[in-house]
Amino acid sequence: KAGVTQTPRYLIKTRGQQVTLSCSPISGHRSVSWYQQTPGQGLQFLFEYFSETQRNKGNFPGRFSGRQFSNSRSEMNVSTLELGDSALYLCASSWDRGNSPLHFGNGTRLTVT
Amino acid sequence: GESVGLHLPTLSVQEGDNSIINCAYSNSASDYFIWYKQESGKGPQFIIDIRSNMDKRQGQRVTVLLNKTVKHLSLQIAATQPGDSAVYFCAEGGNYQLIWGAGTKLIIKP
Repeated sequence: KAGVTQTPRYLIKTRGQQVTLSCSPISGHRSVSWYQQTPGQGLQFLFEYFSETQRNKGNFPGRFSGRQFSNSRSEMNVSTLELGDSALYLCASSWDRGNSPLHFGNGTRLTVT
Repeated sequence: GESVGLHLPTLSVQEGDNSIINCAYSNSASDYFIWYKQESGKGPQFIIDIRSNMDKRQGQRVTVLLNKTVKHLSLQIAATQPGDSAVYFCAEGGNYQLIWGAGTKLIIKP
């Protein structure tokens, strides 16, 4: 069974640009969560989608947005990039939005210059 | 706000010894706890979870202990191997969202 797939693996963008990251969950998983990971802040929750609906949102500015498609694949978008957005962005999927283990992809490493 | 913390940022253990990684949580209403392992260049990998109606759960070479009285969670790894080198995160579940600890780096000494 294929794991969570995130593309691209690496991205380099300049300040002010926007970026879209993609995530394909494990087959059958309907919940997809996104996290930002930085050395200083650890794992920070961005948002969670279930059946194409955003059900939870972390404390991030509106520049961070996401969506989920009918096949459970998800994308997240960051507009007007700032240097501080440089991070590893992790996607995780699970069977449901209850308390069940999250299965993570290997992330997209975003560098903003 | 609520948070989950780790006592030790780095833990060095002799190969073959047992490792114990500790975690404190602050929300007594949390009913789900989980441990992840993250190796360099990879996403976090699920190790083991436990619900608040249990105080101990065992997996393959790992045991999670939950002490609700003092709001403490620990991960025990038996016979630590070089492949166990990683950063270990605990997380606390509530309201369909996980609150993560800062992580503990486990170093295996040969």
